[in-house]
Amino acid sequence: GAVVSQHPSWVICKSGTSVKIECRSLDFQATTMFWYRQFPKQSLMLMATSNEGSKATYEQGVEKDKFLINHASLTLSTLTVTSAHPEDSSFYICSAPDYPQETQYFGPGTRLLVL
Amino acid sequence: DAKTTQPTSMDCAEGRAANLPCNHSTISGNEYVYWYRQIHSQGPQYIIHGLKNNETNEMASLIITEDRKSSTLILPHATLRDTAVYYCIVRGGNQFYFGTGTSLTVIP
Repeated sequence: GAVVSQHPSWVICKSGTSVKIECRSLDFQATTMFWYRQFPKQSLMLMATSNEGSKATYEQGVEKDKFLINHASLTLSTLTVTSAHPEDSSFYICSAPDYPQETQYFGPGTRLLVL
Repeated sequence: DAKTTQPTSMDCAEGRAANLPCNHSTISGNEYVYWYRQIHSQGPQYIIHGLKNNETNEMASLIITEDRKSSTLILPHATLRDTAVYYCIVRGGNQFYFGTGTSLTVIP
């Protein structure tokens, strides 16, 4: 299947700093990518849809000014957690659909710990 | 919101078939059923998907009832490496909404 990578795989930062997470589709182009968040022992929660060349669309309850999404190319989407706080500590996962099959392929995830 | 209901956990003996059920009684005619699994601290892995017909690939089989209100994922010969959380997802549009999934434990 198609491959999606994320970088970094884990990050530790101080409260108040911003953290950028990259999501790349390695062997296919993705006009749309998706960002999820997963807290311990919980399921994945869809945060937002990243659209190449246009604004991201956010799920209800997700602060767009806190979670900045940029989809600058057909193979790269970035999620920036601005002014991170300990409650933002989580496992962040991205995915991209491999058209025309429209099967979504997930990245390995990025674990964020905010101290 | 997730449109599926799955048992919280299941056990299966190594070498036996693992049958994981999923209810999706509100599924629409053009919505696909997808199955993924997530091994601890990794991203979800695609397993299989289907619309109406039963499907089989190298990993598993998917049995969808005629009324499409439920489905079963079958791992024909479970191994210890199949221990994971299995998610059944009904895809409407581009977004995938995950339910709580089934935690499958394969027992030696």
